[in-house]
Amino acid sequence: GENVEQHPSTLSVQEGDSAVIKCTYSDSASNYFPWYKQELGKGPQLIIDIRSNVGEKKDQRIAVTLNKTAKHFSLHITETQPEDSAVYFCAANTGGFKTIFGAGTRLFVKA
Amino acid sequence: DSGVTQTPKHLITATGQRVTLRCSPRSGDLSVYWYQQSLDQGLQFLIQYYNGEERAKGNILERFSAQQFPDLHSELNLSSLELGDSALYFCASSATGTSSFNEQFFGPGTRLTVL
Repeated sequence: GENVEQHPSTLSVQEGDSAVIKCTYSDSASNYFPWYKQELGKGPQLIIDIRSNVGEKKDQRIAVTLNKTAKHFSLHITETQPEDSAVYFCAANTGGFKTIFGAGTRLFVKA
Repeated sequence: DSGVTQTPKHLITATGQRVTLRCSPRSGDLSVYWYQQSLDQGLQFLIQYYNGEERAKGNILERFSAQQFPDLHSELNLSSLELGDSALYFCASSATGTSSFNEQFFGPGTRLTVL
């Protein structure tokens, strides 16, 4: 069935360094890939998304890349700040009604 | 604040019991999604309703059921509760009937503890 694998499960970086989170999806029909950030005690919030007809998308310090051939997509955060500390979820959608989420990456940014 | 409200915030109950979780979507959103988040696990999609009708089903147990009312609020009913049902339950809403190309707005969640 549909599956999204996410790595690493935990990531610790120094403030100012970059962080990269990688995901792999199984359903080749997937065409929409959102990323959500979940802060402690809150619900997830969309931070960036990418469609399958685009290879890369940037929004300030955040970028997402997509390799459809390899069925990989990644989140890149540059110049990390302590407020970037949170759990990040990747997800994939086939254009239907179900969004499949990865298991999440807990990011710690050390000041 | 996402505009999605969930009640109650916390719920503690015993095994075998039945509980109801409530969700009000953002104003104007027609779709409601329910997710379960267990400890150290991702978001497991349970079920989606669109404008009062069931639209998609995920890994929802037969002991669980949901509905969406004419005012678009939704309730998730969990019965014959087991210890393993302890989790955070999130409700999300979106404007249209598909979660594709369509941001989902999540509520703050209901933490269910089954003792």
